[in-house]
Amino acid sequence: DGGITQSPKYLFRKEGQNVTLSCEQNLNHDAMYWYRQDPGQGLRLIYYSQIVNDFQKGDIAEGYSVSREKKESFPLTVTSAQKNPTAFYLCASRGTGGHNEQFFGPGTRLTVL
Amino acid sequence: SQQGEEDPQALSIQEGENATMNCSYKTSINNLQWYRQNSGRGLVHLILIRSNEREKHSGRLRVTLDTSKKSSSLLITASRAADTASYFCATDAENFNKFYFGSGTKLNVKP
Repeated sequence: DGGITQSPKYLFRKEGQNVTLSCEQNLNHDAMYWYRQDPGQGLRLIYYSQIVNDFQKGDIAEGYSVSREKKESFPLTVTSAQKNPTAFYLCASRGTGGHNEQFFGPGTRLTVL
Repeated sequence: SQQGEEDPQALSIQEGENATMNCSYKTSINNLQWYRQNSGRGLVHLILIRSNEREKHSGRLRVTLDTSKKSSSLLITASRAADTASYFCATDAENFNKFYFGSGTKLNVKP
């Protein structure tokens, strides 16, 4: 089956720890995205990548880091510098060529204890 | 910010009624997309309308786009309890590479 997966589904972190959220896609998409969603809110863009070994900051990149070493994978690290990391994190991918929709993973809910 | 804004924030209707939600945005777009999100889940793409299109249909969904008013509407006809979800509009930046989501309309369809 083609799709986009995220793991883990739930993640708990102690203050001061870095954690890495996984995102994998087998849709052969060039572009990948990370969004943050807070309760009752829309999605805010953290980072996006249009091609392997390249990525750009979104609107709320502070306290986050990413890598794009493989086309299929776009992991997000939430660092201790992110002051309010408790949120729902969504990864998406998109084929290039203009008018294409994004495909979303099921999300990871991160809670800081 | 180019972020879209949906209206209303919440909508409660009876099964069988139509549901209309609106989206406004601020800058020029290439396309506008509508997504659905069930509670605690990822988003699912519903429909995409290009900036040179005025109306598009997909099953029970009808989307309109008015670029002069920078607004779009999503109509769900003959709603079902299973349509209960949050609905988001997303607009792209002019280079297609970034997308901006509104805060969503929470639809509750009562059986």
